[in-house]
Amino acid sequence: DAKTTQPNSMESNEEEPVHLPCNHSTISGTDYIHWYRQLPSQGPEYVIHGLTSNVNNRMASLAIAEDRKSSTLILHRATLRDAAVYYCIPQNTGNQFYFGTGTSLTVIP
Amino acid sequence: DAMVIQNPRYQVTQFGKPVTLSCSQTLNHNVMYWYQQKSSQAPKLLFHYYDKDFNNEADTPDNFQSRRPNTSFCFLDIRSPGLGDAAMYLCATSKGAGGYNEQFFGPGTRLTVL
Repeated sequence: DAKTTQPNSMESNEEEPVHLPCNHSTISGTDYIHWYRQLPSQGPEYVIHGLTSNVNNRMASLAIAEDRKSSTLILHRATLRDAAVYYCIPQNTGNQFYFGTGTSLTVIP
Repeated sequence: DAMVIQNPRYQVTQFGKPVTLSCSQTLNHNVMYWYQQKSSQAPKLLFHYYDKDFNNEADTPDNFQSRRPNTSFCFLDIRSPGLGDAAMYLCATSKGAGGYNEQFFGPGTRLTVL
């Protein structure tokens, strides 16, 4: 299983963009890169996922390095509701999720 | 709305007294998962079902069992809960087993062991 490295915590000012990095240098060629977030006392929530190309959806953008050993989740304008723990999860073909420690994002008003 | 439902949201049991947590889904997904999340830790996969095929994680204690009587329901049985089993238990589903499938999580059941 690919191991991930994420900063333990990050801060952002409200209304500013946030770039959340993830290192997954042992990722296999067929692993999708998933990002989930977990608000306090809630189950994790899907944010975005991709394989090789950069991806955009209504919540965020995902930038994947050309060698796929790292990726960055981009929140274009952080709001207070984006304060959560963000998990980067390489997903193998068995679809088992092995969560790393994640990044706790604090949004400052 | 289609969703993953977990009951109860809060469960209190006594040390050694068997307890069952339930999960249901209206998504008609083939795969169902159980995770354990202890305080200030990341969720940890316990096991999953692909349809009726049960897949146990190697380090899941024997004290934890699961049943999936039909597509919609999945149960987590803890045969003899210990104090160390106090945690949030999360149920999730996915349409299939390919890496492109996202997982849909329920709100969790918080288990307290007295």
